[in-house]
Amino acid sequence: KQEVTQIPAALSVPEGENLVLNCSFTDSAIYNLQWFRQDPGKGLTSLLLIQSSQREQTSGRLNASLDKSSGRSTLYIAASQPGDSATYLCAVRRGSQGNLIFGKGTKLSVKP
Amino acid sequence: DTEVTQTPKHLVMGMTNKKSLKCEQHMGHRAMYWYKQKAKKPPELMFVYSYEKLSINESVPSRFSPECPNSSLLNLHLHALQPEDSALYLCASSHGRTGIYEQYFGPGTRLTVT
Repeated sequence: KQEVTQIPAALSVPEGENLVLNCSFTDSAIYNLQWFRQDPGKGLTSLLLIQSSQREQTSGRLNASLDKSSGRSTLYIAASQPGDSATYLCAVRRGSQGNLIFGKGTKLSVKP
Repeated sequence: DTEVTQTPKHLVMGMTNKKSLKCEQHMGHRAMYWYKQKAKKPPELMFVYSYEKLSINESVPSRFSPECPNSSLLNLHLHALQPEDSALYLCASSHGRTGIYEQYFGPGTRLTVT
């Protein structure tokens, strides 16, 4: 059974810091991995999608890497801003069914 | 347009009421999903529709009844809910149901059952 773990559960940093969020999964046979952002009480915003054949994806200040063999992904946020404060969720796509298996998220707080 | 819309944003209903949640997308996606998210928990998959046919029901109680009238619209009919069903209900869509496609989520409907 696929399990997704995100560490740390919560993170507080001063504005301007570069930071790394971690995601690990137990079954390396994934189709892809998707990083989301969720603001309190809101829906999910897709940040980056990494296919199983890819090593990394970049969008603006965000960079996500994938090491399928070790069951790990990292989300790197450069020059953090207070507007980055949110919960970040990673989810892996389980088999050909397309179902997403989510981690519990990392709650990020960026202090001005 | 990469938007999934959901109505209503908030819903309060009694345990004897019947209500419906609505989800719409105009991206030409052929797979649509319902998720349930309790506070401080990750989303949990409820139903998957592919080409307007129900393909996955994750053992959801029958008081939740999904419907996909056309490729752009997904409904969730609610009847005789329990207070523990209070949650954020999220709709998502993707180009297809297979694993390679990115899922796009709507803003959710906050449901409170009294």
